Amino acid sequence: DQQVKQNSPSLSVQEGRISILNCDYTNSMFDYFLWYKKYPAEGPTFLISISSIKDKNEDGRFTVFLNKSAKHLSLHIVPSQPGDSAVYFCAGLKTGANNLFFGTGTRLTVIP
Amino acid sequence: DVKVTQSSRYLVKRTGEKVFLECVQDMDHENMFWYRQDPGLGLRLIYFSYDVKMKEKGDIPEGYSVSREKKERFSLILESASTNQTSMYLCASSIPLLTGGDGYTFGSGTRLTVV
Repeated sequence: DQQVKQNSPSLSVQEGRISILNCDYTNSMFDYFLWYKKYPAEGPTFLISISSIKDKNEDGRFTVFLNKSAKHLSLHIVPSQPGDSAVYFCAGLKTGANNLFFGTGTRLTVIP
Repeated sequence: DVKVTQSSRYLVKRTGEKVFLECVQDMDHENMFWYRQDPGLGLRLIYFSYDVKMKEKGDIPEGYSVSREKKERFSLILESASTNQTSMYLCASSIPLLTGGDGYTFGSGTRLTVV
């Protein structure tokens, strides 16, 4: 029972263009969301997060948008750089719980 | 500045061997987790622990066991390794009762190949 879904397993984008990675969730109790970035042979590292009281959070080139009514969030990377090539996982959390629920990941390739 | 350390980056084991994967964190976190990552399947939770000597099954515990004798150390044990356990294994830790922040801190992973 996948509570967080990333329906695009892969995405290719030209350097300098925008990358948009999508994530859907089914659990309406989630009130905090995180994005992690993972390079091959390394562990995931935290990238950006958003609370359900917001609909947007920005950190440099990275912006996460949350649409609660649609149970959908997206990560925008502008401009995309070759070093952004990685697998991106989104995760949902009900605050006060111990467990994150991860999506299956999207592999982003930024073409120079 | 290493916070979650997994003892091996790469391991090759034979079918039927007993395999130990070790994870140590230096952040005094109560919670520790073991995941495996496989292409197309994402991160799947094997076991987690909220405290010393406590363990809870995750989504795919079959064929695995864990041990947490000390707060900083969480071991994953493959009782009898099989080829379908070839995977990337990731350890993570966190504070309890997450309210935001960075969520989990992950180790660098162990790429296990069972031949």
